[in-house]
Amino acid sequence: DGGITQSPKYLFRKEGQNVTLSCEQNLNHDAMYWYRQDPGQGLRLIYYSQIVNDFQKGDIAEGYSVSREKKESFPLTVTSAQKNPTAFYLCASRRKTAYSNQPQHFGDGTRLSIL
Amino acid sequence: DQQVKQNSPSLSVQEGRISILNCDYTNSMFDYFLWYKKYPAEGPTFLISISSIKDKNEDGRFTVFLNKSAKHLSLHIVPSQPGDSAVYFCAALSGGYQKVTFGTGTKLQVIP
Repeated sequence: DGGITQSPKYLFRKEGQNVTLSCEQNLNHDAMYWYRQDPGQGLRLIYYSQIVNDFQKGDIAEGYSVSREKKESFPLTVTSAQKNPTAFYLCASRRKTAYSNQPQHFGDGTRLSIL
Repeated sequence: DQQVKQNSPSLSVQEGRISILNCDYTNSMFDYFLWYKKYPAEGPTFLISISSIKDKNEDGRFTVFLNKSAKHLSLHIVPSQPGDSAVYFCAALSGGYQKVTFGTGTKLQVIP
């Protein structure tokens, strides 16, 4: 079955450490996205990528970094510069078409907590 | 600046009755709108969408209405079922469709 796999489901980090969240998709989607969900704040866009080796900052990119070396993979690194990293992180992908109004497909998320 | 707003954080509805979830937006450049449903500890799943050239789109028990002049859309669920209990997000896209702007979500509880 095609889909988006985020791993791990739960992640704990010590203060001052960088941590990388994995996102893999086998939907052959060109575009991939990272969101952060906090209570009462909906989904906020961290980074997105429309094509391999290219990505753009979203609304809350500070303290995060990404790479897009393969079409299938879009890992997110939460760096020690991110002051409030505890959140639920969601990865999404979308097929780009001539009309570009395809809905996003989401993974099941990774919950990151600071020890 | 919240461009997509869902002013009701929660809603309770009796099973079998209609659920109406509302969403307001401020950016007049938005021309495509979607509703997603999300269960706890899972990713959102796409529910229904509407283009700005339409004012209504229906899919089974779900209907989305768009009022462009009021910059308002709503999702109607009829009849509501306990399995509909989830958080519902509206989302909006503008030309280029590269970025999707989400609302803050409304938690729907359908009471058996």
